[in-house]
Amino acid sequence: KQEVTQIPAALSVPEGENLVLNCSFTDSAIYNLQWFRQDPGKGLTSLLLIQSSQREQTSGRLNASLDKSSGRSTLYIAASQPGDSATYLCAVQTSNRLAFGKGNQVVVIP
Amino acid sequence: SAVISQKPSRDICQRGTSLTIQCQVDSQVTMMFWYRQQPGQSLTLIATANQGSEATYESGFVIDKFPISRPNLTFSTLTVSNMSPEDSSIYLCSVGTQAYGYTFGSGTRLTVV
Repeated sequence: KQEVTQIPAALSVPEGENLVLNCSFTDSAIYNLQWFRQDPGKGLTSLLLIQSSQREQTSGRLNASLDKSSGRSTLYIAASQPGDSATYLCAVQTSNRLAFGKGNQVVVIP
Repeated sequence: SAVISQKPSRDICQRGTSLTIQCQVDSQVTMMFWYRQQPGQSLTLIATANQGSEATYESGFVIDKFPISRPNLTFSTLTVSNMSPEDSSIYLCSVGTQAYGYTFGSGTRLTVV
């Protein structure tokens, strides 16, 4: 069974600092990995999708890397802003299902 | 990517009652997925709904408690039946594929009192 772990569970950073969020998974036989953002009590917003054949994806201030062999992905958010405050979820797809981590809860302090 | 309209966004319900959650997708999709997110936990898949067939439920979830309808390729409902406080969670629907990733609805925040 795929297990997904996200570290740290929570962090606070001053505005302008870069954010580094980590995701690890136990089964490297994945099809893809997707990072989501979730605001309190709300649904999920997709940020980046990395296919298993890819090493990284970038969108604006966001960059996600994937090291499938070691079972790790990292989400970098450059120059953090208060609007980046949210929970970030990592999800890996194996066969036809997604396995989620519990998330990294981020607070950016103005 | 598909856009999903989910409602209600939140509700407070009495124990023993039922709530039906609706998801409307702006394009035709083969499979729709229903998830539960209990407080402080990650998302757990409840069932997969295919149009024209019975939904497939994950271990620990049963049709009598979470009946699902899928009348066409753009719409699905999940009912939470005979609710208890333990059913207080965020419920989410999702569509997507391996190639293009997954999109989620805005979530239904359910509180059972």
